[in-house]
Amino acid sequence: DVKVTQSSRYLVKRTGEKVFLECVQDMDHENMFWYRQDPGLGLRLIYFSYDVKMKEKGDIPEGYSVSREKKERFSLILESASTNQTSMYLCASSSGSNYGYTFGSGTRLTVV
Amino acid sequence: GEDVEQSLFLSVREGDSSVINCTYTDSSSTYLYWYKQEPGAGLQLLTYIFSNMDMKQDQRLTVLLNKKDKHLSLRIADTQTGDSAIYFCAESKAAGNKLTFGGGTRVLVKP
Repeated sequence: DVKVTQSSRYLVKRTGEKVFLECVQDMDHENMFWYRQDPGLGLRLIYFSYDVKMKEKGDIPEGYSVSREKKERFSLILESASTNQTSMYLCASSSGSNYGYTFGSGTRLTVV
Repeated sequence: GEDVEQSLFLSVREGDSSVINCTYTDSSSTYLYWYKQEPGAGLQLLTYIFSNMDMKQDQRLTVLLNKKDKHLSLRIADTQTGDSAIYFCAESKAAGNKLTFGGGTRVLVKP
């Protein structure tokens, strides 16, 4: 069963902490994405990567960075967590086909 | 930039048809999608339509695309309680590339 796995389902972090959200896919997909989901706003793209060591900013990259050192792993980093980064974070990967776009189950991050 | 909009909420009686609407602004959108998210779950692709099509049917689902008006709709026939979920429309320029999502429509199916 193909999978996108996010390391944590729930996280609580303090303001100012550096936070790492990990995402691993086992489908050998080239493309990987980080979205955040907020009620009424849908999913907004933070960063994406179309290849190893490649990254591009999405629509809301401020306060975030990413790392893609290996094809299967795409990490989202909150350099200094703030309360407005409390959200659900969804990772996805794709093969380049419409039916190959797969989402992880999400990480609900609360920054206190 | 791209913008995708949906109404926030839809209530429907079990057995009726549901119609969820979506508008988008980018005329270069190539693929338009409908995703479903059930409580506590990730996103599940329901169906997609290529921009040169105006209709696609898949069992209980019918997608209509009016490219001139940049309007997309999803019709669910014989709506069941298991169809209660949030439905997102999304667009992309190429298959498998980044998606731009609408805000989601919460569908509540009443018995």
